[in-house]
Amino acid sequence: EIVLTQSPATLSLSPGERVTLSCRASQRPYINYLSWYQQKPGQAPRLLIYSTSSASNRATGVPDRFSASGSGTDFTLTISRLEPEDFAVYYCQQYSVFGQGTKVEIK
Amino acid sequence: EVQLVESGGGLVQPGGSLRLSCAASGFTFSNYWMSWVRQAPGKGLEWVANIKDDGSVQYHADSVKGRFTISRDNAKNSLYLQMDTLRAGDTAVYYCAREIPSTTSSFDYWGQGTLVSVSS
Repeated sequence: EIVLTQSPATLSLSPGERVTLSCRASQRPYINYLSWYQQKPGQAPRLLIYSTSSASNRATGVPDRFSASGSGTDFTLTISRLEPEDFAVYYCQQYSVFGQGTKVEIK
Repeated sequence: EVQLVESGGGLVQPGGSLRLSCAASGFTFSNYWMSWVRQAPGKGLEWVANIKDDGSVQYHADSVKGRFTISRDNAKNSLYLQMDTLRAGDTAVYYCAREIPSTTSSFDYWGQGTLVSVSS
């Protein structure tokens, strides 16, 4: 089974900074796109990016500062400019597999 | 408005059983695959099981296979997770989640979660 490894475990950043979160697959995924979620303490995960067989797309209501890219075994979620509400844990996912998460905390 | 409301969590002894329910509203429940996803305290997300829109196909994670059973009642707009032979390692918040059709199991709506604690 594929394993998704996210790095780093924690990022300490300031509002306004650009952030790139990494998700590496242990083998080339069958589908070349991942989903990404944001989770804040005490809340359910929120879908940011969903993936079909041919593309990744922002979920409804997700600001365009969030974008996803990747190919092969390396995938990224980019937040172009961190807003105060973006400090949270981020997970990548494909089918039944989740990454272990990256926490974005305030520096 | 899409809503998923879980219930049935609680404290149970190791080896015990529990049945979780998820009441769905605001969408045509019978058109969607549904999943259970859990999160142990302070840990990440773990997919547990999913079920086809008509209930004819189910998949379970290896960690729960043979102990947990996912089911649904489309007439009642409800999803269930029967959990037997519970272990301490099953302690987690359990979420039900809706899968977006034709995606790589992207989950667009989640319930608020129900806490299952397995302890003597």
